[in-house]
Amino acid sequence: AQSVAQPEDQVNVAEGNPLTVKCTYSVSGNPYLFWYVQYPNRGLQFLLKYITGDNLVKGSYGFEAEFNKSQTSFHLKKPSALVSDSALYFCAVRDPDNYGQNFVFGPGTRLSVLP
Amino acid sequence: ETGVTQSPTHLIKTRGQQVTLRCSSQSGHNTVSWYQQALGQGPQFIFQYYREEENGRGNFPPRFSGLQFPNYSSELNVNALELDDSALYLCASSLVAGGYYEQYFGPGTRLTVT
Repeated sequence: AQSVAQPEDQVNVAEGNPLTVKCTYSVSGNPYLFWYVQYPNRGLQFLLKYITGDNLVKGSYGFEAEFNKSQTSFHLKKPSALVSDSALYFCAVRDPDNYGQNFVFGPGTRLSVLP
Repeated sequence: ETGVTQSPTHLIKTRGQQVTLRCSSQSGHNTVSWYQQALGQGPQFIFQYYREEENGRGNFPPRFSGLQFPNYSSELNVNALELDDSALYLCASSLVAGGYYEQYFGPGTRLTVT
């Protein structure tokens, strides 16, 4: 069965500094990987996805993520954090060989960007 | 903002009651999924509907049921409510079922069971 781990409940970073939000996954085949962001009292917003090809994926709002197959990781990154990036971030995996199963989400990481 | 809408925004029910939540998919999307997000947790997959039929289900009991209508809008029904059903219920639509297509989420319905 597929699973996602986000080892950090909380990440604090100063505005202007680079940020990383970590994600590791477990899936039987080649995964489809996604990052979503959730602001207070809002639904999830899609940031980016990895399907195949280049291991570095660029997404919305200056975010990017690096897929590492050997480490089964898909860490979210941004070169320069903004206070407005403060939110809850979720990593999700989908097994392309399991048609009926949907996204499996990690528990989330709360990002706080301090001014 | 996505084109996915949900109603109502908030709901308070008593244990043992039944509830219906509604979702309107983004235009052109024929697949809708429902998730339960308990406080402090990630969303948990309940089930997915594609062309009005359930084609995937997570680890939820049968008292969680759903419908998808010809216009691709959807309902989530929960019978015999329990206190642990208190959560944010998220609806998500996608262009097709499965595959690498991202899902677009609505703002959610906050259900409180007392």
